[in-house]
Amino acid sequence: GEDVEQSLFLSVREGDSSVINCTYTDSSSTYLYWYKQEPGAGLQLLTYIFSNMDMKQDQRLTVLLNKKDKHLSLRIADTQTGDSAIYFCAEILVDSWGKLQFGAGTQVVVTP
Amino acid sequence: DGGITQSPKYLFRKEGQNVTLSCEQNLNHDAMYWYRQDPGQGLRLIYYSQIVNDFQKGDIAEGYSVSREKKESFPLTVTSAQKNPTAFYLCASSIRTKAGEQFFGPGTRLTVL
Repeated sequence: GEDVEQSLFLSVREGDSSVINCTYTDSSSTYLYWYKQEPGAGLQLLTYIFSNMDMKQDQRLTVLLNKKDKHLSLRIADTQTGDSAIYFCAEILVDSWGKLQFGAGTQVVVTP
Repeated sequence: DGGITQSPKYLFRKEGQNVTLSCEQNLNHDAMYWYRQDPGQGLRLIYYSQIVNDFQKGDIAEGYSVSREKKESFPLTVTSAQKNPTAFYLCASSIRTKAGEQFFGPGTRLTVL
């Protein structure tokens, strides 16, 4: 199974907030990332957070990090139909340069 | 415009044939990566390269081969030894010191007939 775990599906109404959750395993991870994948396309880096931070905000995106519980979340405010995509949480392993460990991804569907 | 390209977008192969997927970047990135994506699964690392003429196996390298003769190019060959090659293949690149901030190509969907 995946070392990084995410729920597989989230349905949200347009205009509401979306919260996507992720748990990771490596307590020594230095950075944690959120990537977005639109249908049939490659991934796009949305945002990342350094492990000594609790929160990072970037326009409509808010990342929360709970190191004690190894829990990461991505909140999307005022969700739009263009936010429909798969969102991947990923951690970079300290002892394995370049090896991003991805979760299975959360499919977000935005309904009108 | 700087970016990373993959070709072709769709590829069909008969069983027993080798096939090479192209990946080119003009971002001047030292590091490049190949991932495999299957439905409902996260990305799995096949091979990665930190510098020209050097590359390392990822988690699922069996049945695949790569070369890194030029900084801009990192082709992936799916050999007949790969038992289940039908998948979506993604190439990425990054600055070597920022391995988590990867730029992805649009992907190649390989189907074995």
